[in-house]
Amino acid sequence: QLRLQESGPGLVKPSETLSLTCTVSGDSITSGRFDWGWIRQAPGKGLEWIGTLYYGGAIYYNPSLKSRVTISVDTSENQFFLKLNSVTAADTAIYYCAREPGPSNSGWHTWGQGTLATVSS
Amino acid sequence: QSALTQPASVSGSPGQSITISCTGTSSDVGRYNHVSWYEQHPGKAPNLIIYDVINRPSGVSNRFSGSKSGNTASLTISGLQAEDEADYYCCAYTTIDTYVFGTGTRVTVL
Repeated sequence: QLRLQESGPGLVKPSETLSLTCTVSGDSITSGRFDWGWIRQAPGKGLEWIGTLYYGGAIYYNPSLKSRVTISVDTSENQFFLKLNSVTAADTAIYYCAREPGPSNSGWHTWGQGTLATVSS
Repeated sequence: QSALTQPASVSGSPGQSITISCTGTSSDVGRYNHVSWYEQHPGKAPNLIIYDVINRPSGVSNRFSGSKSGNTASLTISGLQAEDEADYYCCAYTTIDTYVFGTGTRVTVL
């Protein structure tokens, strides 16, 4: 059964870089046509799409975060990653990784449980 | 890109039907049939309940249904049950290859 698990440091200092990992189990990250994404949710707030790694290799980012975010993948480890630099308190959120069938853009069918990242000195 | 507009809250009695609207623009909701809906219970990850406007993933109750007219998508929950009390979010694919979520709706079962 497919499982996505986010991991990373729970606490990051302002102006530093937040680095998160999504580990995929139960299926190969390269099997089939799937897109992989990151979505976040600030405490008590709504969902915000961060970016998508398409199965063909293209990567698209939220325009509001594009200058600070990088998504990458390590197929040998069955993991994909999120880096967000120059973080501020506004980046404090639960970060989710998710998968959608590609190239459908139909929606995020499978989600990880999420990991809380707090930006504080 | 601006968040899609949803009502902050909707309520109903058990057994009733409720509808949640999701209003966007001709560049997102109105452009493609790539609108999805998510249910989120407190402390839990979102769960997909509708994709591509009208489709239900396997295992999702047929009490959930979706539709779209112009720039507005809608989620209807029929036969409202206590377990439906949760936050609901819409999401749309856009013309600039991004996704935008709705502002979220809190459903309360009276």
